[in-house]
Amino acid sequence: GQQLNQSPQSMFIQEGEDVSMNCTSSSIFNTWLWYKQDPGEGPVLLIALYKAGELTSNGRLTAQFGITRKDSFLNISASIPSDVGIYFCAGRGSWPSGSRLTFGEGTQLTVNP
Amino acid sequence: SQTIHQWPATLVQPVGSPLSLECTVEGTSNPNLYWYRQAAGRGLQLLFYSVGIGQISSEVPQNLSASRPQDRQFILSSKKLLLSDSGFYLCACDRGSNQPQHFGDGTRLSIL
Repeated sequence: GQQLNQSPQSMFIQEGEDVSMNCTSSSIFNTWLWYKQDPGEGPVLLIALYKAGELTSNGRLTAQFGITRKDSFLNISASIPSDVGIYFCAGRGSWPSGSRLTFGEGTQLTVNP
Repeated sequence: SQTIHQWPATLVQPVGSPLSLECTVEGTSNPNLYWYRQAAGRGLQLLFYSVGIGQISSEVPQNLSASRPQDRQFILSSKKLLLSDSGFYLCACDRGSNQPQHFGDGTRLSIL
């Protein structure tokens, strides 16, 4: 089956620093999604990528769909304390996986004020 | 946009008791629906998904079952809970393979 490797597993940074995390896949994906999860809540969609090479921003967040379609990264600029949480990448392949998503294991982000 | 309701938010159940978790979706019709389990706040494991009423696909063999009695209702059940069924259960929906998947706020299930 499809597998996603997400790194780093955790990050401890100072407020104001930039953050970068990435996901790589053993197979090609047609869609990459990035989510953030706060404790005790469901994941919230941050950015959706549908095209190889696509670079999309959402405020201080920027994500790219890799040209090979096997990787994606998420950057957060000028981090703030409310950026704390777990960030997940998720990829969607083609048939027979259909609309099912494969999730990375998450990156736990801690921001020190 | 769609809104996903899950209840209860938290649940404490004894081993061997039955389970019924409910998920309902507003703001969309004919969605794909999913049940995930998340252990220790990391990694989402897909348990079931449904592309329509009465259509359920199981991803992993387990002690749980799912049903979709109505278009926007997805139910996760068990006849006899095990300790290993503890976790955070998330319901999600999307409108197809070219649409993003959105999540409910989850149910925290603790088995004693």
